[in-house]
Amino acid sequence: GAVVSQHPSWVICKSGTSVKIECRSLDFQATTMFWYRQFPKQSLMLMATSNEGSKATYEQGVEKDKFLINHASLTLSTLTVTSAHPEDSSFYICSAISKETQYFGPGTRLLVL
Amino acid sequence: AQSVSQHNHHVILSEAASLELGCNYSYGGTVNLFWYVQYPGQHLQLLLKYFSGDPLVKGIKGFEAEFIKSKFSFNLRKPSVQWSDTAEYFCAVNDGGNNRLAFGKGNQVVVIP
Repeated sequence: GAVVSQHPSWVICKSGTSVKIECRSLDFQATTMFWYRQFPKQSLMLMATSNEGSKATYEQGVEKDKFLINHASLTLSTLTVTSAHPEDSSFYICSAISKETQYFGPGTRLLVL
Repeated sequence: AQSVSQHNHHVILSEAASLELGCNYSYGGTVNLFWYVQYPGQHLQLLLKYFSGDPLVKGIKGFEAEFIKSKFSFNLRKPSVQWSDTAEYFCAVNDGGNNRLAFGKGNQVVVIP
């Protein structure tokens, strides 16, 4: 149980385009999901908390207009990187809460050219 | 804000050796504590967690961790490692009323056959 999926696993895009990443809880409902960013050889940095049916809560220093989060259902949250630039290239990971424990998706590798 | 410290970022040891990874956190109130493992090319998986009760927690794959409240620590141990334990290990903490996790920087563990 407690499986979280992400799509796509890999995305390469041109600078200036927008990229949408999906996070799904496959066998449970999650009112809260989280989005992280992981730089090479570094830890996970929490970007935002995604709440079903309400606005996301962003961590300090994260641009909410750049990283749009939509949590439209109890099993799906999306992160859209708008007008992506090379510095947005990173590994984006989502997690979902089940019984007070976070379960993580496999991550999405974004490369902006 | 919570902070989590993991020392000795790179650990190299031989099969059958014992492993202990330190984790210290800063929050003085009620905490939930987690160890996650990230095998090469895979997503974060939960190794074990502590919410309350017996401070010695058993996890998967022979791992255990001990919560010592007076030392603000939650060290991970395995008596005899295998090559397949090669991975990155992350300690994470949230305060009891908040699901937002703070992660340590991780320990890169390499087990030599």
